[in-house]
Amino acid sequence: AQSVAQPEDQVNVAEGNPLTVKCTYSVSGNPYLFWYVQYPNRGLQFLLKYITGDNLVKGSYGFEAEFNKSQTSFHLKKPSALVSDSALYFCATYMDSNYQLIWGAGTKLIIKP
Amino acid sequence: DAGVIQSPRHEVTEMGQEVTLRCKPISGHNSLFWYRQTMMRGLELLIYFNNNVPIDDSGMPEDRFSAKMPNASFSTLKIQPSEPRDSAVYFCASSFEGEQYFGPGTRLTVT
Repeated sequence: AQSVAQPEDQVNVAEGNPLTVKCTYSVSGNPYLFWYVQYPNRGLQFLLKYITGDNLVKGSYGFEAEFNKSQTSFHLKKPSALVSDSALYFCATYMDSNYQLIWGAGTKLIIKP
Repeated sequence: DAGVIQSPRHEVTEMGQEVTLRCKPISGHNSLFWYRQTMMRGLELLIYFNNNVPIDDSGMPEDRFSAKMPNASFSTLKIQPSEPRDSAVYFCASSFEGEQYFGPGTRLTVT
């Protein structure tokens, strides 16, 4: 069965430093992987996705994610964190044969000034 | 497009009352999802429609919950009777064979 895991409940980063939010996956076949962000009191927003092609995927707000097949990972990254990046981040993948998403538990990202 | 529209944004009701949440998906999207989010349980998929047909309702907690999608542009999630443990933020999302787009959510408080 398809699954994703976010091993960190919370990540703390100082403003201006690079950030990484981790996601590992377990899928059969070609992986379809997504990152979403949820700001306080808002719905989830799509950030980026990996379907096929380049292992480095660029998304909204300066975020990017690196697909690593050997490590079965899809970590979210940003070179220089902003306080406004503080939010809840979710990794997701498709279920086996339909368009339902299987969600990670979410990682709370806190950027300190 | 205005995105996914949900109403009401906030709902406060007393235990035992009927609650109806509404969703208008993005035009052209053929899949619609209802989610519930709480601090304790995180994000839970309640039900998923494809082309207006319920595909998977295994996440619906119990018979008090029901959902309908009478046409491609409207869906409802109904709770009858409501209970305090139903208090949560309910999200609707839509998609067309790809990423899902979420509405702003309905914050439900049952007292």
